[in-house]
Amino acid sequence: NAGVTQTPKFRILKIGQSMTLQCTQDMNHNYMYWYRQDPGMGLKLIYYSVGAGITDKGEVPNGYNVSRSTTEDFPLRLELAAPSQTSVYFCASSYGGGLAGDEQFFGPGTRLTVL
Amino acid sequence: GESVGLHLPTLSVQEGDNSIINCAYSNSASDYFIWYKQESGKGPQFIIDIRSNMDKRQGQRVTVLLNKTVKHLSLQIAATQPGDSAVYFCAENDTGRRALTFGSGTRLQVQP
Repeated sequence: NAGVTQTPKFRILKIGQSMTLQCTQDMNHNYMYWYRQDPGMGLKLIYYSVGAGITDKGEVPNGYNVSRSTTEDFPLRLELAAPSQTSVYFCASSYGGGLAGDEQFFGPGTRLTVL
Repeated sequence: GESVGLHLPTLSVQEGDNSIINCAYSNSASDYFIWYKQESGKGPQFIIDIRSNMDKRQGQRVTVLLNKTVKHLSLQIAATQPGDSAVYFCAENDTGRRALTFGSGTRLQVQP
């Protein structure tokens, strides 16, 4: 299994541009998550999904959108990029939603810079 | 709001010594806690977890201790090695969202 894969690894955007961060998992996990990590900080939850067709907001959803059309894919969309969105973005998945004994697997991250 | 935080931002230890990384949490309803290790340029990697009905859990060279009375979590690493150098995060589950709340992390530096 490849686990959780993310593309691209790096991206530089201009203010106002849009882009989609891709995330795919091949573990047949129900739950998928998007986090952002600012320098020297912990991870903050942007959006999560409990299954195909179901998404919900996390702690910092403003400026982002997600969709979950399949179990495997959970893309994150930035519509109007702002410098405040400069961060490292991590996608994660788990089978049962973070309950006891249910590990979240993380992708390698996408480093995004908005200039 | 509810949060998970850490006491020390950076911990420097000598190779072979034991390391202790601490974490305070504020949500008394949390019932599951996890420690993650994040190496530079990589995503977080699961180390060990503990349920709220336990006080201690041991893994290979790592031990997690949970004190629910003072809402404190710690990670002990025995015989710390250079490969243990990383940022360590504690996280707690949010059963309402089925998602984790992460602390800000502690950087562990192992001196040879």
